[in-house]
Amino acid sequence: GQQLNQSPQSMFIQEGEDVSMNCTSSSIFNTWLWYKQDPGEGPVLLIALYKAGELTSNGRLTAQFGITRKDSFLNISASIPSDVGIYFCAGLNYGGSQGNLIFGKGTKLSVKP
Amino acid sequence: GAVVSQHPSWVICKSGTSVKIECRSLDFQATTMFWYRQFPKQSLMLMATSNEGSKATYEQGVEKDKFLINHASLTLSTLTVTSAHPEDSSFYICSASRETQYFGPGTRLLVL
Repeated sequence: GQQLNQSPQSMFIQEGEDVSMNCTSSSIFNTWLWYKQDPGEGPVLLIALYKAGELTSNGRLTAQFGITRKDSFLNISASIPSDVGIYFCAGLNYGGSQGNLIFGKGTKLSVKP
Repeated sequence: GAVVSQHPSWVICKSGTSVKIECRSLDFQATTMFWYRQFPKQSLMLMATSNEGSKATYEQGVEKDKFLINHASLTLSTLTVTSAHPEDSSFYICSASRETQYFGPGTRLLVL
């Protein structure tokens, strides 16, 4: 089945630094999503990307849908302590709400004040 | 908008008992809801797709007789873990679809 390779697995950074993480796949997706999960909570949607090449921002977060539709990256600028958590990328097999999400293994972000 | 709730948030039960988890979309209707399971330090794994008014679609390796899903209305889906065993202890998360998937806060199940 489809799999997503998400990297890095974990990051330890200083407050104020920028962060970059990415996901790649051997097959294409119609939609890429980025979620953040805090301990003991469900994932919260950060950014949704629907078109190849699309670059979307949400505050300090920026994500891009790769031209090949096989990859996506998420950047966080000027990190703050509350950015700590696990970030998951997810690909949607086909458009529409009935599609199944395929999740990456997550990037655990730690921010040192 | 797009708020999804789950109840209970955590449950501890004895081995052999059944546990029901509810997933509700609070401010929108969802014809499709999804149930995931997440083990510690791992990603979310889709268990089943719940469609309002029809049978759920289970992923390979998920026993449909053990994990009963009922999607009785456009705002409620339930997952019942029947005859729970310690290996069923996990974090169960539902999501509801509205353009994309919005997740509930999860239910932590501990089977003793």
